[in-house]
Amino acid sequence: NAGVTQTPKFRVLKTGQSMTLLCAQDMNHEYMYWYRQDPGMGLRLIHYSVGEGTTAKGEVPDGYNVSRLKKQNFLLGLESAAPSQTSVYFCASSSSRRIIGYTFGSGTRLTVV
Amino acid sequence: ILNVEQSPQSLHVQEGDSTNFTCSFPSSNFYALHWYRWETAKSPEALFVMTLNGDEKKKGRISATLNTKEGYSYLYIKGSQPEDSATYLCAFHPVRSISSGSARQLTFGSGTQLTVLP
Repeated sequence: NAGVTQTPKFRVLKTGQSMTLLCAQDMNHEYMYWYRQDPGMGLRLIHYSVGEGTTAKGEVPDGYNVSRLKKQNFLLGLESAAPSQTSVYFCASSSSRRIIGYTFGSGTRLTVV
Repeated sequence: ILNVEQSPQSLHVQEGDSTNFTCSFPSSNFYALHWYRWETAKSPEALFVMTLNGDEKKKGRISATLNTKEGYSYLYIKGSQPEDSATYLCAFHPVRSISSGSARQLTFGSGTQLTVLP
């Protein structure tokens, strides 16, 4: 019963490097989300997806790209990392059929130096 | 940007005390209000999803009430225990709109950090 799995759990990048964060869910949820969490700011939505092949911008999308080629996976990419992207990133998923809470992954702590 | 506020920002109570905190959200375009419990070094876990004005939900020693007309929800913990120490998040879920598509987009508050001292 894995739920939502995020990889990697930790990463340190140099400014300008690129990386991809992977989110995988095994609950057959239609909706998936990427949030970032910064001290005092709460969770802020970066991008989300309502289904395979579709993505949309959230509140803070700049500097990030996403893809959802398969229903169970939602990838978050940083093409050219900046120190402002140092944060903890959470992936979440939810069902389209019932009003239930999100299921969150365990987070990825990213530091950009 | 929707305004979801939680108070207090942090709270220290003694074991056995009862406590409560508040979530304020827009009173218009309401669809649902979520509460999550977030322990340090873990991921947020859903506690309640509330949809009806006057609704009250309970899970063990934790309960929540909802007032959609005035835009607030209270979370209560009866007889706090050290294992209740966590950040409690609320999240506002607006009515689906054309611009938001069909995703259940939530706007989260900053949370109330509860520490229960033994």
